[in-house]
Amino acid sequence: NAGVMQNPRHLVRRRGQEARLRCSPMKGHSHVYWYRQLPEEGLKFMVYLQKENIIDESGMPKERFSAEFPKEGPSILRIQQVVRGDSAAYFCASSPESQGATGELFFGEGSRLTVL
Amino acid sequence: DAKTTQPPSMDCAEGRAANLPCNHSTISGNEYVYWYRQIHSQGPQYIIHGLKNNETNEMASLIITEDRKSSTLILPHATLRDTAVYYCIARREGAQKLVFGQGTRLTINP
Repeated sequence: NAGVMQNPRHLVRRRGQEARLRCSPMKGHSHVYWYRQLPEEGLKFMVYLQKENIIDESGMPKERFSAEFPKEGPSILRIQQVVRGDSAAYFCASSPESQGATGELFFGEGSRLTVL
Repeated sequence: DAKTTQPPSMDCAEGRAANLPCNHSTISGNEYVYWYRQIHSQGPQYIIHGLKNNETNEMASLIITEDRKSSTLILPHATLRDTAVYYCIARREGAQKLVFGQGTRLTINP
């Protein structure tokens, strides 16, 4: 059973461009979470999605950031008109519909965005 | 979810037990204590969780005080690969997301 897959692992963008980060959850998982980690800082929750629905976006910046988790395909975190402050590691996690034995979130290895 | 407080950093000698403390004095009855760790540049990894009883698995032991206001994660025989940031999180039963604090940066020394 493959783990949470994120791609690209590394992405370089110039200021003003768009960044798209993809996350394929573990097989059978219908819940996806996105976290951002700025250099030398902790993980900050951004958004929690279930298939086709945003459940909690309390950590998403109000502008330029959006997330989706379509019925088919991976979850996408989209950052429009990137700025240098968007440079960070973006982690995706997934969990099954019911929390299961541990209520564990399974994390991917992250996508590292660098804005020049 | 209750706030947790951890020391920012700790050191431990390889082969010794690493004891990582966590205070959660405002924890409520339906909040579990979760521990995750993040090895440099990798995604966070689940370690263990508990409600009131002490718990043990293949990675670690979790000791929760009787009043539940604090807990200790124990890595019984620390190795160099245990060097990581360790996060203690209080999470309400049924809550989906995890809210990470600053964690403890544990360094295992040879």
